[in-house]
Amino acid sequence: DAGVIQSPRHEVTEMGQEVTLRCKPISGHNSLFWYRQTMMRGLELLIYFNNNVPIDDSGMPEDRFSAKMPNASFSTLKIQPSEPRDSAVYFCASRPKTGAWGEQYFGPGTRLTVT
Amino acid sequence: SQQGEEDPQALSIQEGENATMNCSYKTSINNLQWYRQNSGRGLVHLILIRSNEREKHSGRLRVTLDTSKKSSSLLITASRAADTASYFCATAYQGGSEKLVFGKGMKLTVNP
Repeated sequence: DAGVIQSPRHEVTEMGQEVTLRCKPISGHNSLFWYRQTMMRGLELLIYFNNNVPIDDSGMPEDRFSAKMPNASFSTLKIQPSEPRDSAVYFCASRPKTGAWGEQYFGPGTRLTVT
Repeated sequence: SQQGEEDPQALSIQEGENATMNCSYKTSINNLQWYRQNSGRGLVHLILIRSNEREKHSGRLRVTLDTSKKSSSLLITASRAADTASYFCATAYQGGSEKLVFGKGMKLTVNP
């Protein structure tokens, strides 16, 4: 199994530009989570989906952030416009159908730098 | 904040020694999980302990849970240099959504 796939692995962009992060969950998993990790705030949950439906987006910092999951094998996290304070590592994780609150499988992350 | 807190925040030991990390949390949980993160990588699930369990083992890992004290500990026995990583506890809270709440992590360094 390929595991959770994220792209790009690194992204450097200028303030004001649109950034799109991509995630392919593990096949057969029905929950998908987007996290952001910084030294100051640790690992924060931004949003999660069950069966492609957004369930909890209370962690999305502001309207500049949006996430979609058009099908079971693909999700995007978009930041528009990006700001320097968005610099962080963004992780996608998926979880199998075996039950709520179960273990999550993380991707390698996308390191975003906004200058 | 419902966030779990790991203690200590950093630990440096010699290879072969045991490493103990503690986690405290604030409200009733469904389960508590431990994850490892190697530098520059994603988190890897290590072990899950349910609220009705008190102790669990997996290889060199031993996890305990004390729901009366709202705390958990992760013991790594006979540590190896490859155990050098950051370790996170994550709590699944009852009555809420299905999300996990992660602590800020603890950096373990195992010196060869």
